[in-house]
Amino acid sequence: DTEVTQTPKHLVMGMTNKKSLKCEQHMGHRAMYWYKQKAKKPPELMFVYSYEKLSINESVPSRFSPECPNSSLLNLHLHALQPEDSALYLCASSQVAGEGQPQHFGDGTRLSIL
Amino acid sequence: GEDVEQSLFLSVREGDSSVINCTYTDSSSTYLYWYKQEPGAGLQLLTYIFSNMDMKQDQRLTVLLNKKDKHLSLRIADTQTGDSAIYFCAEGKAAGNKLTFGGGTRVLVKP
Repeated sequence: DTEVTQTPKHLVMGMTNKKSLKCEQHMGHRAMYWYKQKAKKPPELMFVYSYEKLSINESVPSRFSPECPNSSLLNLHLHALQPEDSALYLCASSQVAGEGQPQHFGDGTRLSIL
Repeated sequence: GEDVEQSLFLSVREGDSSVINCTYTDSSSTYLYWYKQEPGAGLQLLTYIFSNMDMKQDQRLTVLLNKKDKHLSLRIADTQTGDSAIYFCAEGKAAGNKLTFGGGTRVLVKP
């Protein structure tokens, strides 16, 4: 069982829709991450939050908007997505965003853009 | 090219040992990780090693690190069918705890 919970597990949306992905952890971790994983590829980092502040944005298009309302929650707001954005979106957390801090992953949200 | 490289596929018989190899290029990486991903699931942290260590053992898992050659391996003893999955190695960088993943090795365990 994963200690990082992501909802929904699956999401199908049109290119004009607005939706949000949610991630929650109760391990007291102060760093949270969003990754995108395409089929048969490794995860690619999108965003890093450290102590509820955005610390890294890996040049992600603005149609992806992250939000960290508190230390346990991380959201990813989606708007006007493209078909190539279809992927598995993974959330992870670690104690802090420093070296040697293992990241613990959720099971992901599988997103399909029609 | 990729910073972290892995072979694509490994087939092993149940009960045998599996060895998954990984090479990386960034000598400043201080921590190296192994993750397992089963179909339809996220990444499960298996183990990790600090770069000043040569070996780490955790139950059926043994990690070997050759820092000079930038070569990392994961040995799974007594491989079981439940070990069939994709295994990713990753190097960790201090800034932002960024992970760079290898392409993943698909391990198939045959009965």
